[in-house]
Amino acid sequence: GAVVSQHPSRVICKSGTSVKIECRSLDFQATTMFWYRQFPKQSLMLMATSNEGSKATYEQGVEKDKFLINHASLTLSTLTVTSAHPEDSSFYICSARRQQETQYFGPGTRLLVL
Amino acid sequence: DAKTTQPNSMESNEEEPVHLPCNHSTISGTDYIHWYRQLPSQGPEYVIHGLTSNVNNRMASLAIAEDRKSSTLILHRATLRDAAVYYCILRALWSPGLHNTNAGKSTFGDGTTLTVKP
Repeated sequence: GAVVSQHPSRVICKSGTSVKIECRSLDFQATTMFWYRQFPKQSLMLMATSNEGSKATYEQGVEKDKFLINHASLTLSTLTVTSAHPEDSSFYICSARRQQETQYFGPGTRLLVL
Repeated sequence: DAKTTQPNSMESNEEEPVHLPCNHSTISGTDYIHWYRQLPSQGPEYVIHGLTSNVNNRMASLAIAEDRKSSTLILHRATLRDAAVYYCILRALWSPGLHNTNAGKSTFGDGTTLTVKP
């Protein structure tokens, strides 16, 4: 299957700082990228959907000013957690899809906010 | 969104077949049935998907009921590496001009935790 990478794989930061997570589709051009969040022993929760060159569509209850998403190219999307707080600590997972094709997921980024 | 219902957990013995059920009684005609699995601290891995007909690939088989209100993921010979959380997901068809805000999105339910015993 297609390869999606995320960087960093884990990050620890102080409360109040901003953290940027990168998601790249390595061997295909992704027209759509998705960002999910997963808390321990829970399922994945969709945060937002982004199409290349346009603004992301956020799910209900997800603050767009706190979770900034940029999908500047067909192979790169970034999620920036602004002014992170301990409750933002979670496992963030991106996925990428080309048109109607299968959605592939990245390995995830573990964020710990102290 | 059309919802899916899966058993919380299942157990299997190594090298035996496993049948993982999924109910999706409110599925619409444009919903594809996708299966993913997730190992601890990893992103989900694509397993298989289908629309109406049964599907086979190197990882598994997908049996879809005639009325499409349920499906079954079949692992023909379970190995210890198959132990994971298996998610059954409905994804609506997306195309330009199709006015469905949920189209193309994959919404995850709670999944089935598969334990494989040696």
